Amino acid sequence: GESVGLHLPTLSVQEGDNSIINCAYSNSASDYFIWYKQESGKGPQFIIDIRSNMDKRQGQRVTVLLNKTVKHLSLQIAATQPGDSAVYFCAEKVRGGSEKLVFGKGTKLTVNP
Amino acid sequence: DGGITQSPKYLFRKEGQNVTLSCEQNLNHDAMYWYRQDPGQGLRLIYYSHIVNDFQKGDIAEGYSVSREKKESFPLTVTSAQKNPTAFYLCASGRRNGEQYFGPGTRLTVT
Repeated sequence: GESVGLHLPTLSVQEGDNSIINCAYSNSASDYFIWYKQESGKGPQFIIDIRSNMDKRQGQRVTVLLNKTVKHLSLQIAATQPGDSAVYFCAEKVRGGSEKLVFGKGTKLTVNP
Repeated sequence: DGGITQSPKYLFRKEGQNVTLSCEQNLNHDAMYWYRQDPGQGLRLIYYSHIVNDFQKGDIAEGYSVSREKKESFPLTVTSAQKNPTAFYLCASGRRNGEQYFGPGTRLTVT
């Protein structure tokens, strides 16, 4: 089975609130992680990535946190907007492997106005 | 969608027919990938290629075939041997050890 999964399949937040989307991974050899956003009927869009030598990385309104001790990854979206409504996937790449990405099943984020 | 094109956006075929999905990229990426996505599911890897004239099976390669004759192109053929071909097909390209960028996808319906 997949080694990457998500704690919650759906998340509903109010516009303006902060959102936190979680991801658990089981392969301690994974050294690269990516978050993607997928809107309905479209291809996934790269949001942010992080390598295993980092604990935190920030982008525009987004922050990814990596906790290697518990093999946990999270995506924080600040001041969530209706345009953030989408399915969010985390993906991992195993060090020294075939360089394939393994995707989780995704979390559907709904932003209520 | 950043330099990756897939065509067509929607495709309809009768059962028993082979069908080829197009994927082209102008990002000068060495690596290209094909994924399948079913409703409410994550992405599953069909085939990938890290260099021209070479490709590897992914997790669900049965019933599919690919070619990589040019760096820019990685067409996927869904053969009649694929038991459940109706799905959303996504092509991606990227640098090795780096992020992958996805095309807009092709929705294939086989009846």
